[in-house]
Amino acid sequence: LAKTTQPISMDSYEGQEVNITCSHNNIATNDYITWYQQFPSQGPRFIIQGYKTKVTNEVASLFIPADRKSSTLSLPRVSLSDTAVYYCLVARAGSSNTGKLIFGQGTTLQVKP
Amino acid sequence: ETGVTQTPRHLVMGMTNKKSLKCEQHLGHNAMYWYKQSAKKPLELMFVYSLEERVENNSVPSRFSPECPNSSHLFLHLHTLQPEDSALYLCASSQDGAGSNEQFFGPGTRLTVL
Repeated sequence: LAKTTQPISMDSYEGQEVNITCSHNNIATNDYITWYQQFPSQGPRFIIQGYKTKVTNEVASLFIPADRKSSTLSLPRVSLSDTAVYYCLVARAGSSNTGKLIFGQGTTLQVKP
Repeated sequence: ETGVTQTPRHLVMGMTNKKSLKCEQHLGHNAMYWYKQSAKKPLELMFVYSLEERVENNSVPSRFSPECPNSSHLFLHLHTLQPEDSALYLCASSQDGAGSNEQFFGPGTRLTVL
C-alpha cells in the first residue's frame, strides 16, 4: 500500500476553512483515498473517501488531482470541536484484499477561539 | 455510538495475569479488526478476521491471542504481558475485508500493565 505523508500539525481559528494536504506518490490504480478523524481516547471515525476529482459530504470535501499523487481534505468553517487528529490513508478496493489500513502519524489540528 | 462496543473500557493488570478484551459489533459486518495505539505512535494493525477466519497477523507476539467465535464477536486474550504493552486497544468492523470499506471503531480499552 502507498505510503502517505501529511503535516504533523496545523493551527486554525474558529470559522476558518482548513485544508490538509496529503501526498501519496505510489498510489495504485485500485487504491482509494480515505480520511479518518480521531479525538483523544476514542477510535478513529471515517470522514470521507474518494477516487478522483472531488467528493463532498455534510462534513468535508476531498479534492484529488488527475494524477492522484496527492489529496486535500477541506473542512469548511471549523469549530473548536474539530480539534482532532486527521489521518490520510490509502485503502485498496476489492473483496479479495484484507481491510489493511496503514495509519501514519496524522495531522493534529488545533482550532483556537 | 458507532455500533461497536468494547469491554472493559479500562483494565489494569500485572505481568502474570490473564485477561481478555471483548468486542461486539451490531452492524451485521463480516470483518473485524484489532488495533493497538501506544502513546505518540500511529495505530498499528494487529489482527484481521474475515468471515470468522484470521486473514492477517501482523507479527504480533504470542502473548496476544485473538478469537473470533462468530462474525459479531471478537476477543483478545492477554497473558504474561509486558509494561510496554500498555496502550489503547481498538476494535473495528467493516462490511467485508475490502480495504476501501469504511471501518467502524469501538471506543477502545485502555490497558495498563504494571
